[in-house]
Amino acid sequence: AQSVTQLGSHVSVSEGALVLLRCNYSSSVPPYLFWYVQYPNQGLQLLLKYTSAATLVKGINGFEAEFKKSETSFHLTKPSAHMSDAAEYFCASLPYNFNKFYFGSGTKLNVKP
Amino acid sequence: EAQVTQNPRYLITVTGKKLTVTCSQNMNHEYMSWYRQDPGLGLRQIYYSMNVEVTDKGDVPEGYKVSRKEKRNFPLILESPSPNQTSLYFCASRAGGQDTQYFGPGTRLTVL
Repeated sequence: AQSVTQLGSHVSVSEGALVLLRCNYSSSVPPYLFWYVQYPNQGLQLLLKYTSAATLVKGINGFEAEFKKSETSFHLTKPSAHMSDAAEYFCASLPYNFNKFYFGSGTKLNVKP
Repeated sequence: EAQVTQNPRYLITVTGKKLTVTCSQNMNHEYMSWYRQDPGLGLRQIYYSMNVEVTDKGDVPEGYKVSRKEKRNFPLILESPSPNQTSLYFCASRAGGQDTQYFGPGTRLTVL
């Protein structure tokens, strides 16, 4: 069965610092991969997705993620954190049969002034 | 506007009192899903539907029922709610063969 692992349930960075949120997937065939963001008291919003085209994917709000097959990873980065980036981030995978999504347990990002 | 709507947004109820959370989408999507979100556990799929009258269990279906009589609606039914079903629930939809999933705003359920 597929699974998605997010390392670190809480990550804290200073404003202006690099953001790195980690995601690893387990699947014999690389699936489609997604990052979603959830702001407080809101639903999930798609940040970016990897669908087997370019391995470096750019998303909204300055975020990007790199698919690395050899490491089965899809880490999310942003060069300079902003206070408005404070939210919970979820990594998810979707196998090629488009059957169902698998979500990681989430990482809460705190941005310190 | 393309959207997924859920009602109610907030609900406090008591153990054993049947309730239904409605979900509706206006995008003519084939796939619809229900998730529950709990701290430290992320989103777990409860049930999903691939089209009208086609539903299947997700990862945590116990204590829940669903139906898909119309393409746009996918209600979640708790016949006899228990406190361990206190959670934040999300409905989502997507088109068949497409990877983009659209989420509703969530329903925060408290079972006392």
